[in-house]
Amino acid sequence: DIRLTQSPSFLSTSVGDRVTITCRASQGVSNYLAWYQVKPGKAPKLLIYAASTLQSGAPSRFSGSGSGTEFTLTISTLQAEDFATYYCQQFNTFPFTFGQGTKLEIK
Amino acid sequence: EVHLVESGGGLVQPGGSLRLSCAASGFTLSDHYIDWVRQAPGKGLEWVGRSRDKVNSYTTEYAASVKGRFTISRDDSKNSLCLQMNSLNTEDTAVYYCIRPARKSGRTYGMDVWGQGTTVTVSS
Repeated sequence: DIRLTQSPSFLSTSVGDRVTITCRASQGVSNYLAWYQVKPGKAPKLLIYAASTLQSGAPSRFSGSGSGTEFTLTISTLQAEDFATYYCQQFNTFPFTFGQGTKLEIK
Repeated sequence: EVHLVESGGGLVQPGGSLRLSCAASGFTLSDHYIDWVRQAPGKGLEWVGRSRDKVNSYTTEYAASVKGRFTISRDDSKNSLCLQMNSLNTEDTAVYYCIRPARKSGRTYGMDVWGQGTTVTVSS
């Protein structure tokens, strides 16, 4: 199975900050990678697909980059509603594995 | 508007079985691949399995953790599909989501339409 490792696992941050989350794959996944935002009690929300394409309806402060084995999710200016847990997921090979998650906490 | 609604969750004893349903509205389910993803309490997301569309004969894929115990099937007359879960153990306790993935040119790029989830608790 392809292992996805996110860093950091936890991030204490403030409104207005620029945030970058990294997702590293144990083997290449081309650009078959997506990012999700998860809030307690709610279904995950797709933010980025194909590594760098913003999902319709997702705020433009979210952006993704990378290919192969290293990917990043960037939030340009953190808003209060962005405090959540973020996951990457690869679609290159079954099983479609997720990263372990990155939780953004209010500093 | 496109919606997925899961049902059938509940409390079941270890070793027992449960059947989850996923009903679609706003689109024809048979034309789409459907995935299941679960999230155990306090844990991350785990992909469970996939049912391909009718054109691809509804073939399936499963995570190793559920293969041989879980089965995805379709009911075109009800525009729905089911996740039959057998030999359940405490590690299967989770919220289960059915999802319509975003696909283009024969590849999956993300999971963009999620149901609200249904909770399965395996406990004695």
